[in-house]
Amino acid sequence: EAGVAQSPRYKIIEKRQSVAFWCNPISGHATLYWYQQILGQGPKLLIQFQNNGVVDDSQLPKDRFSAERLKGVDSTLKIQPAKLEDSAVYLCASSSGLGRGGNEQFFGPGTRLTVL
Amino acid sequence: AQRVTQPEKLLSVFKGAPVELKCNYSYSGSPELFWYVQYSRQRLQLLLRHISRESIKGFTADLNKGETSFHLKKPFAQEEDSAMYYCALSANFGNEKLTFGTGTRLTIIP
Repeated sequence: EAGVAQSPRYKIIEKRQSVAFWCNPISGHATLYWYQQILGQGPKLLIQFQNNGVVDDSQLPKDRFSAERLKGVDSTLKIQPAKLEDSAVYLCASSSGLGRGGNEQFFGPGTRLTVL
Repeated sequence: AQRVTQPEKLLSVFKGAPVELKCNYSYSGSPELFWYVQYSRQRLQLLLRHISRESIKGFTADLNKGETSFHLKKPFAQEEDSAMYYCALSANFGNEKLTFGTGTRLTIIP
């Protein structure tokens, strides 16, 4: 099966600019996650969707970050305006949520964001 | 709140020697524990989970609730084991959110 797709793979912007990332999960996976991974740290969950509804966005900086999953498939994560501390790899993951192994998360390749 | 601690950022082991990557967690409920691995230029992927109680690529991990640990072990290291390893916790089986540790970079010395 095709894996989780993300684009772009790399993005360089200046602070105060806007940026958007796109994710296409594995077909049929109901749950989609966005993680932020700062250099030297483990991934940190930003937002979790179940179909097109938000399950958890407690760690999403809502003053500048937004995410949507229209139609319960693809998702976009936006940062507006970006700050230097937003430099990180943004990972998208999906899981089927079905059965005992349903919470295995499958990760995309990530988008490396550099804010100058 | 849940927390995962991986005390070693870097670990170097000779080929053929035993490997142990440490992971400790804090969570008051019944967690599900995972090890994820990222090989060079590859995606983050699941290595094993405690509920499966299986050995993957020679690695095993036992959940010790008394010590709140989930250490990853392999009796004989191989060069292809060199990678970044992350321990992760899911707070309950209904909520699949993962809390990751900071990771351990394992290098196998030929």
